[in-house]
Amino acid sequence: AQKITQTQPGMFVQEKEAVTLDCTYDTSDPSYGLFWYKQPSSGEMIFLIYQGSYDQQNATEGRYSLNFQKARKSANLVISASQLGDSAMYFCAMRGKNRDDKIIFGKGTRLHILP
Amino acid sequence: DAGVTQSPTHLIKTRGQQVTLRCSPISGHKSVSWYQQVLGQGPQFIFQYYEKEERGRGNFPDRFSARQFPNYSSELNVNALLLGDSALYLCASGLEWGVQPQHFGDGTRLSIL
Repeated sequence: AQKITQTQPGMFVQEKEAVTLDCTYDTSDPSYGLFWYKQPSSGEMIFLIYQGSYDQQNATEGRYSLNFQKARKSANLVISASQLGDSAMYFCAMRGKNRDDKIIFGKGTRLHILP
Repeated sequence: DAGVTQSPTHLIKTRGQQVTLRCSPISGHKSVSWYQQVLGQGPQFIFQYYEKEERGRGNFPDRFSARQFPNYSSELNVNALLLGDSALYLCASGLEWGVQPQHFGDGTRLSIL
């Protein structure tokens, strides 16, 4: 069965510092996708970054990068130069490529950026 | 371009009632998925529809049902509401089904009294 584990329920980071949010996953599928979403207190889920299991390069989107270590089944999100607006809940998620596959979300990490 | 739109934004119902939630995907997206997010938890998958066919179902009772229309919009129906159905219901759309990312709407917050 597929599983996503986020071991950091909450983090406090000083503004302008880099932050790494941990995510490990478990799947027996050879083909899968990994995602990170941001959920501010208003509730909407904002897609941040995507990594395919066969992608050779780590995904990057602006200040977001995904540290993908396939052998360790790890997909950590790195936010560079954190901003106050980065304070939110962050979810790691995974999805396989089979017909009945569904997106599995982790329990999330609440990130607090301190001024 | 408009993102995923959901209606209503908030809803209050009582136990035993029925509710219908609506979702319009991003233009050109053919896949719609529904998720339930209970306070303090990550979203839980309920349904996925692609080209008007159900393509996946999560571990939810038969009180939950959904459908997708020819214009790719979707409805989620929940019958015989229970207190535990109180949650944020999120709709997501994607170009296809598979490993591509999905884009979420702002959700419908359902409260059961």
